[in-house]
Amino acid sequence: DQQVKQNSPSLSVQEGRISILNCDYTNSMFDYFLWYKKYPAEGPTFLISISSIKDKNEDGRFTVFLNKSAKHLSLHIVPSQPGDSAVYFCAASDERGSQGNLIFGKGTKLSVKP
Amino acid sequence: NAGVTQTPKFQVLKTGQSMTLQCAQDMNHNSMYWYRQDPGMGLRLIYYSASEGTTDKGEVPNGYNVSRLNKREFSLRLESAAPSQTSVYFCASIRMTGIHSPLHFGNGTRLTVT
Repeated sequence: DQQVKQNSPSLSVQEGRISILNCDYTNSMFDYFLWYKKYPAEGPTFLISISSIKDKNEDGRFTVFLNKSAKHLSLHIVPSQPGDSAVYFCAASDERGSQGNLIFGKGTKLSVKP
Repeated sequence: NAGVTQTPKFQVLKTGQSMTLQCAQDMNHNSMYWYRQDPGMGLRLIYYSASEGTTDKGEVPNGYNVSRLNKREFSLRLESAAPSQTSVYFCASIRMTGIHSPLHFGNGTRLTVT
């Protein structure tokens, strides 16, 4: 049973517009959430994270929103750029996650069209 | 500063053959991890080493063994490869346990078992 779900396998957005990637989770013990970005033939790279004590975290063009009651988080990219085209993985952890035991979603492939 | 280095980048094995995937990090990180990624799937934890001298099973440990050779190096061994082990393998590390910190990934080893 998937504990972290990314229900959209792919998303296509025009350059300059907003990209919204969604993630749902089922385990109420998760207290830390991360987004990773992955280009082909490379390893995932950390993008942004949020603790369960917050509902928003912003870093430049990237903002993550957390709705604990709905067990839902989203990643907003504004404005989207062609270089943002990649697979985005949502990941979550509970108190064990401090040891790197992350639960990953299946990923969403974002394509930003020029 | 290379980060996390994995060798080899590609490998093809016949069923029943053995091999060791190598991983080294030069960031003086304490904890190291092995994940696998299958098509259309998120990353799943195979084994991890919270600190030098310790190893623990992750979500999908069957068919694998690991060795934390020293602080820098963490190897993954397949004793008798099976087609179900065809996957991309990622090694990762974090600075320390006890706090939430993002994983740093290598660029992966693409393994095919025929």
